[in-house]
Amino acid sequence: EVQLVESGGGLVQPGASLKLSCVASGFTFSDYWMSWVRQTPGKTMEWIGDIKYDGSYTNYAPSLKNRFTISRDNAKSTLYLQMSNVRSEDTATYYCTRGGGSLFDYWGQGVMVTVSS
Amino acid sequence: QITLTQQAESLWISPGERVSITCRASQSLLYTDGKHYLSWYQQRPGQTTKALIYHASVRTDGVPTRFIGSGSGTEFTLSIEHVQPEDFAIYYCLQTLKSPYTFGAGTKLELK
Repeated sequence: EVQLVESGGGLVQPGASLKLSCVASGFTFSDYWMSWVRQTPGKTMEWIGDIKYDGSYTNYAPSLKNRFTISRDNAKSTLYLQMSNVRSEDTATYYCTRGGGSLFDYWGQGVMVTVSS
Repeated sequence: QITLTQQAESLWISPGERVSITCRASQSLLYTDGKHYLSWYQQRPGQTTKALIYHASVRTDGVPTRFIGSGSGTEFTLSIEHVQPEDFAIYYCLQTLKSPYTFGAGTKLELK
């Protein structure tokens, strides 16, 4: 059974940094592109970016690429999202998803990030 | 970037009815391989987001046949025949033709 489990969220102050993790199981992690998607409290979905199966290529939403970095450790079947200089508008639930091209076929339960002083 | 418009924020229906959810793109989602890069997702409270349809009309594994994706170019539809109680959820369309990938605003199916 494919499982994606995010962690690392919580309450963070504006301007701080935060690193989210997503541990994958039930499939060969190193075979798949992976993506991060976030959903605002108002339910708006936003694609953050994706990473190639070997970690050699990443692609980001232009509005986020200067502050967010996606990486992966295939030996640990883990996907990461490094967030820096966070703002109130980064308050959202962050989802790890499998895939990147035609389809995001599996999603995690999500991890909440709240940016507030 | 490509904008996806889901006009209906909510649709009220009764179980057993047929419903159609539309998604309009600001430009064609047809790629040179002949496929449309439009997919549909279902989000239910307490459940992980579920992929239903990709390439506009291909059901993902295990998705019931009552879910039907159709459309081409810039106009796409997700139809659900004989709506079941478990189908009351939020539905999103997503384009992955061009980066940044973009979602529609979502359409919530509500019980009439």
